[in-house]
Amino acid sequence: KQEVTQIPAALSVPEGENLVLNCSFTDSAIYNLQWFRQDPGKGLTSLLLIQSSQREQTSGRLNASLDKSSGRSTLYIAASQPGDSATYLCEGSASKIIFGSGTRLSIRP
Amino acid sequence: EAGVAQSPRYKIIEKRQSVAFWCNPISGHATLYWYQQILGQGPKLLIQFQNNGVVDDSQLPKDRFSAERLKGVDSTLKIQPAKLEDSAVYLCASSLDWFFNSPLHFGNGTRLTVT
Repeated sequence: KQEVTQIPAALSVPEGENLVLNCSFTDSAIYNLQWFRQDPGKGLTSLLLIQSSQREQTSGRLNASLDKSSGRSTLYIAASQPGDSATYLCEGSASKIIFGSGTRLSIRP
Repeated sequence: EAGVAQSPRYKIIEKRQSVAFWCNPISGHATLYWYQQILGQGPKLLIQFQNNGVVDDSQLPKDRFSAERLKGVDSTLKIQPAKLEDSAVYLCASSLDWFFNSPLHFGNGTRLTVT
């Protein structure tokens, strides 16, 4: 059974810091992994999609990597800003689509 | 492009009542998903449609939940009768295809409170 775990559950850092969010999954037969951002009271916004044949994807200050052999993905946020404050969720697509519980990120000005 | 539209945004009902949610996916998206998100948790897939056919409804409590996607476009999700534990945000998402290579696009959800 596919499980997706995100650590830490919450993170608070000062503005300007680089940070890493972690996501681990149990099913190595994953098709792709997607990182989302969720603001309070809103739906999820797709940030990066890494297909199974890829190792990483970059968009602006965000970089996501995928290591299927170790069952891990990381989301790297460079030069964090208060506007980055949100909950970040990873989703793994194997036989089913499974979400992690998210990391609640707070960037202090 | 217009995003995924959901209505209503909020709904408060008493237990044992019925409720229905509506979703209009992005035009041209063949795959539609309904998720349940309980506070503090990640979304849980309830049902996945490919056009108007069901691909996966293994986590849908079929004794009380039903969903349909007539004509392969709009979809409705119904709960009858509702229980207290159904209080959650119900999210609709769509994607271009179901081969997991296209990103999911989410609506803003319907927040359901069952009292």
